[in-house]
Amino acid sequence: QVRLQESGPGLVKPSGTLSLTCVVSGVSMSSSNWWSWVRQSPGKGLEWIGEIFHSGVTKYNPSLKSRVTISVEKSKSQYSLHLRSVTAADSAVYYCARRGKALDVWGIGNAVTVSS
Amino acid sequence: DIVMTQSPDSLTVSLGERATINCRTNQSVLSDSNYQNYIAWYQQKPLQSPKLLIYWASTRESGVPDRFSGSGSGTDFTLTILSLQAEDVAIYYCQQYFSSPWTFGQGTKVEIK
Repeated sequence: QVRLQESGPGLVKPSGTLSLTCVVSGVSMSSSNWWSWVRQSPGKGLEWIGEIFHSGVTKYNPSLKSRVTISVEKSKSQYSLHLRSVTAADSAVYYCARRGKALDVWGIGNAVTVSS
Repeated sequence: DIVMTQSPDSLTVSLGERATINCRTNQSVLSDSNYQNYIAWYQQKPLQSPKLLIYWASTRESGVPDRFSGSGSGTDFTLTILSLQAEDVAIYYCQQYFSSPWTFGQGTKVEIK
């Protein structure tokens, strides 16, 4: 079955860059799906960060667009999130998710704390 | 951005009783081209990731029990749990995927009375 698995550090220093990778298994990333990132913090609930198509086309949430880059490596069946200039407000659980029929497959999440 | 407002914020229901969660959008999410409402419902149990229950406002995801149903059109939507089971204790979220950025409701916590 389709599985998504996030990986990355659990602690990032303020003003640094948060980088996470999502490995996709059980389906080709070249299928007609978008590959998304969503985060969840107690203060802001679920927030869609952005997504990428296998062609490299991206969509970003305007609230984060100036700090976010999402990239894909189809050969490794993975995609990545880079969030720059982080602050404590970026502390959250970060999920990768497939957008097929809505967000129909989710990873288990990667908790990230921004702290010195 | 499309604003999603869920009500109530929390709900306490007896086992076997009906639970009803509402979701309102500040603009229509009904497509003129395919007549679909771009609304999904998710269930999130403690320490788990969200799970898709309903898409296109009323289509149940494969494997989801038929006690879960979605309804509504335009700007007003409802998730109904027909006969609440103990395993349904969770937070439920609505989400629109009509217009980017995709947005979520604030969540409704469902507990057993």
